[in-house]
Amino acid sequence: GAVVSQHPSWVICKSGTSVKIECRSLDFQATTMFWYRQFPKQSLMLMATSNEGSKATYEQGVEKDKFLINHASLTLSTLTVTSAHPEDSSFYICSASQDRGGDTQYFGPGTRLTVL
Amino acid sequence: KQEVTQIPAALSVPEGENLVLNCSFTDSAIYNLQWFRQDPGKGLTSLLLIQSSQREQTSGRLNASLDKSSGRSTLYIAASQPGDSATYLCAVRPSYNKLIFGAGTRLAVHP
Repeated sequence: GAVVSQHPSWVICKSGTSVKIECRSLDFQATTMFWYRQFPKQSLMLMATSNEGSKATYEQGVEKDKFLINHASLTLSTLTVTSAHPEDSSFYICSASQDRGGDTQYFGPGTRLTVL
Repeated sequence: KQEVTQIPAALSVPEGENLVLNCSFTDSAIYNLQWFRQDPGKGLTSLLLIQSSQREQTSGRLNASLDKSSGRSTLYIAASQPGDSATYLCAVRPSYNKLIFGAGTRLAVHP
């Protein structure tokens, strides 16, 4: 139980294009979903937190107009990287929690984004 | 601002050795501390979670301790195996809805 999937697992795109990453909770309802970014050999950095049906809360320094998050249902959240640039190349990981406190987070397998 | 540091950054050991991975955090006001395992290009698997009121947790060959007042935690791996090779991440929960991660210790256990 408590499986979180991400799609795609990797994506390569041209600079200036937009990329959408999906995060799904497969066997539970995720009240809260989290989006992290991880650069090579660095920590996971929380980008934003989203509750189903509400606007996402972004961490300081994360551009909300660039990283669009939609949490339209209890099993799906999407992250859209708009007008992607090479510096956006990273490993994006989502996690999902059944409660708003995120006491237990179940992590997805991650999506490798490469922007050429 | 809470910062989490993990030492060493990388470790390579022969099979069978007992290992200690270290994690330190700057602010002792935490709800809990969690150790995760991350395989290359993969998501995270939770290994152990220690509540702020606890001193240690054990699961199989893994034992994690927490000294909140000094801002330290250790993950002890007994009788290491090649299958233990992965990156081990420490994360603290300083507040509602947030995890702060360290950069991890990359472990390689060779036969």
